[in-house]
Amino acid sequence: AQKITQTQPGMFVQEKEAVTLDCTYDTSDPSYGLFWYKQPSSGEMIFLIYQGSYDQQNATEGRYSLNFQKARKSANLVISASQLGDSAMYFCAMREVLSTQGGSEKLVFGKGTKLTVNP
Amino acid sequence: DVKVTQSSRYLVKRTGEKVFLECVQDMDHENMFWYRQDPGLGLRLIYFSYDVKMKEKGDIPEGYSVSREKKERFSLILESASTNQTSMYLCATCPIGQDAYEQYFGPGTRLTVT
Repeated sequence: AQKITQTQPGMFVQEKEAVTLDCTYDTSDPSYGLFWYKQPSSGEMIFLIYQGSYDQQNATEGRYSLNFQKARKSANLVISASQLGDSAMYFCAMREVLSTQGGSEKLVFGKGTKLTVNP
Repeated sequence: DVKVTQSSRYLVKRTGEKVFLECVQDMDHENMFWYRQDPGLGLRLIYFSYDVKMKEKGDIPEGYSVSREKKERFSLILESASTNQTSMYLCATCPIGQDAYEQYFGPGTRLTVT
């Protein structure tokens, strides 16, 4: 079974600094996808960034980048130039395709990291 | 834009009541999911559906059932609510396909069972 581990329950960062949120994963599938979602205090889940296992380059989306180290099975999220609005829970997740159900899929989530950005 | 709506943001029910949580999406997605979120545990999959009238158990299906009579609507049912089902419930959808990888989430329903 696939597993996602986020070892940092909470992180603090000063505004305008960069921060790295850790994520390690475990899977026996040769093809997989990794996601990061942000959940502000309002509760909605906001998709941030995706990395496919065969992607040659690390994914980037604006201030978000994914430090993908396949051999180490890690997919850390890097947020550059932190803003107060980045304070939220962050979840790492892995896509599991269920080929027996017509291409259906599910996400396996880590327990999350609560990021606090200090002014 | 994909829109996923959930019937209630906050819900308070009594132990033993039958509870319906509804999720509606407007993007014709095949896959729909119900997750439960608890502090320190992340999101855990309760049930999912990849087609009308099709359903599959997730990781924690005990105490729950689901219904998908129409493609756009996926209901989570608590037959007899218990206090340990107090939680945040999140619905999500995504299409089937090679390039379809993002799940779109609803705003969540915070259920309290007293």
